Amino acid sequence: AIRMTQSPSSLSASTGDRVTITCRASQGISSYLAWYQQKPGKAPKLLIYAASTLQSGVPSRFSGSGSGTDFTLTISCLQSEDFATYYCQQYYSYPRQLTFGGGTKVEIK
Amino acid sequence: QVQLVESGGGVVQPGGSLRLSCAASGFTFSSYGMHWVRQAPGKGLEWVAFIRYDGSNKYYADSVKGRFTISRDNSKNTLYLQMNSLRAEDTAVYYCAKAPPGAPLMDVWGKGTTVTVSS
Repeated sequence: AIRMTQSPSSLSASTGDRVTITCRASQGISSYLAWYQQKPGKAPKLLIYAASTLQSGVPSRFSGSGSGTDFTLTISCLQSEDFATYYCQQYYSYPRQLTFGGGTKVEIK
Repeated sequence: QVQLVESGGGVVQPGGSLRLSCAASGFTFSSYGMHWVRQAPGKGLEWVAFIRYDGSNKYYADSVKGRFTISRDNSKNTLYLQMNSLRAEDTAVYYCAKAPPGAPLMDVWGKGTTVTVSS
């Protein structure tokens, strides 16, 4: 199965900061990558798919980039509602195993 | 509005069985593939299974293959997950999620149902 490694596993930031989260695939996955946001006790929410396409309704301060094995999620100006855990997911290997990264928790500094 | 509501979770002994249901509303259920995704306590997300819109193809994570069965009843707008030979490591919140057309993503999620495998 393709392994997805996120870094860092957690970070502390302040409102207004620019935040970047990295996701690395164990093999090339083209642009078959999605990002999800999960708040405590809630279901995940799709933010970005195809590495850089914003899901409808997601604020433009979120952006994604990358292809192949290295990807980034950037929050340009962190808002209070953005404190959450973020997961990447590859779907290159469909219909075989779909895999998520281990998550990055964004906490308030 | 689009809504997914899971049910059927509970406490079960190791080796036991449980069937989860996911009731869909607000969209044409029979037109979309559906996933089950789980999250063990304090852990990350793990994809469990996917079924195509018409039930013609089903795919499973290696960790559940041969023990879990995903199915759907399009006449009832309901997704199922039959879980047999349950193990302690199956303890998790189980989410059902809708896939958008043409991509094995999860664009709408239910709130989840909790399964605890314990003696």
